[in-house]
Amino acid sequence: SQTIHQWPATLVQPVGSPLSLECTVEGTSNPNLYWYRQAAGRGLQLLFYSVGIGQISSEVPQNLSASRPQDRQFILSSKKLLLSDSGFYLCAWSAVRTSGPSSYNEQFFGPGTRLTVL
Amino acid sequence: SQQGEEDPQALSIQEGENATMNCSYKTSINNLQWYRQNSGRGLVHLILIRSNEREKHSGRLRVTLDTSKKSSSLLITASRAADTASYFCATDAGFQKLVFGTGTRLLVSP
Repeated sequence: SQTIHQWPATLVQPVGSPLSLECTVEGTSNPNLYWYRQAAGRGLQLLFYSVGIGQISSEVPQNLSASRPQDRQFILSSKKLLLSDSGFYLCAWSAVRTSGPSSYNEQFFGPGTRLTVL
Repeated sequence: SQQGEEDPQALSIQEGENATMNCSYKTSINNLQWYRQNSGRGLVHLILIRSNEREKHSGRLRVTLDTSKKSSSLLITASRAADTASYFCATDAGFQKLVFGTGTRLLVSP
C-alpha cells in the first residue's frame, strides 16, 4: 500500500532563517506531488505541484521554492523565512491520470508540518 | 481567486441529526470531491462525484452535484461525535490539480 511521509512534524524558526521541508511517498511510481499551505482555520492554498522529476509548477509567487530530486521526493525550501510563512504545510500525492472527462485526481495527504516563524 | 466557497463556515449539531454542507465553484469541472480534515491532521478523501452524475452515496454520506448552478452539497446522516472535523470540497478541472473550497467546520455534540 502507499504511504506518504512528511518531516518534521513541527518547526519553529526565526525570521530570516532558511527552510527545508521534505515529503516522500512509498508504494507508487511517478506520482503527481503537491505542496499546500493552510493558514489557521482556513482552506488550502496550492503552492507547487510536480508531474515528474525536475518538473515544478508554481502557483503563487513568494519566497518559497520546491524541488523534486527523485521520483517520490518533494522538497519545499526557502532561503529566508518571513513571518507570513507561518502555517500548516501539507504534501499530497495522486496517481497520474489521463486528462479529459474520465480523468480523476484523488489526492492522498501527508500528516503535515506545523511551521511557526518568530 | 479560483477557490470555491462553502457554507456554512461552521455548523454545530447534536448527535443523530443530519448535517448539510454546500459548495459553490466557478469553472467547468470533470469531477468534484469531498475531503475531511481532523484538527491538526492531513485531509482524507471521502467521495468523488463526476460531472455527469447528479447524486452519489457512500455509507452515511450523500453528495449531490448541480453543474448548471455550479454547486454541490454533502449530507451526513445520523451524525456522530466522531464526525466532528472540517470538510472541504475540491474541484478537478482536468489540469492535474485540485481547487479546494474554504471549508465547513462541523461540531457534533454528544
